[in-house]
Amino acid sequence: DGGITQSPKYLFRKEGQNVTLSCEQNLNHDAMYWYRQDPGQGLRLIYYSQIVNDFQKGDIAEGYSVSREKKESFPLTVTSAQKNPTAFYLCASRVTGSGEGQFFGPGTRLTVL
Amino acid sequence: QKEVEQDPGPLSVPEGAIVSLNCTYSNSAFQYFMWYRQYSRKGPELLMYTYSSGNKEDGRFTAQVDKSSKYISLFIRDSQPSDSATYLCAMKDAGNNRKLIWGLGTSLAVNP
Repeated sequence: DGGITQSPKYLFRKEGQNVTLSCEQNLNHDAMYWYRQDPGQGLRLIYYSQIVNDFQKGDIAEGYSVSREKKESFPLTVTSAQKNPTAFYLCASRVTGSGEGQFFGPGTRLTVL
Repeated sequence: QKEVEQDPGPLSVPEGAIVSLNCTYSNSAFQYFMWYRQYSRKGPELLMYTYSSGNKEDGRFTAQVDKSSKYISLFIRDSQPSDSATYLCAMKDAGNNRKLIWGLGTSLAVNP
């Protein structure tokens, strides 16, 4: 089955620690995205990547970093510089050049204690 | 003013009702319009996708786009308890293939 996987589903970390969230897709999509979702604030774009080895900052990139070494993978690192990291993180992918929508993974709930 | 406005609800209806969900937008360049359904603690699922104006129907779901009024709607016929979720609208222009602009989502509860 084609799709997007995110792991882990729940993640707990101590304040001040970096943490990496995994996102893998086997849809052969070129573009991948990371969003953060907080209650009452909708989806906010953190980073996106159109092709391998290239990525751009979204609207709230401060305190986050990404890499895109493989087409299938787009991991997100939440660094200790992110002031309020507790949130629901969503990864998505899309065929570039298409007007169609993005397809989402199941999400990772990160709680920083 | 936000580029996309969506009433957060919550909206509560009895089973079998017709549900109308709406978004308004300010950017006349938007050409692609999407509706997503999100169950609690899950990723959003693409329900409907429409290009430019007009209607699109898929089973119990109908998406409408009125570009002259900058208004989009999602209608759900014969609503079911399984339709209880948050519905998000999203849209983008033809020139920017990268970023979707999102509404905040409307929470819907369909009561048996």
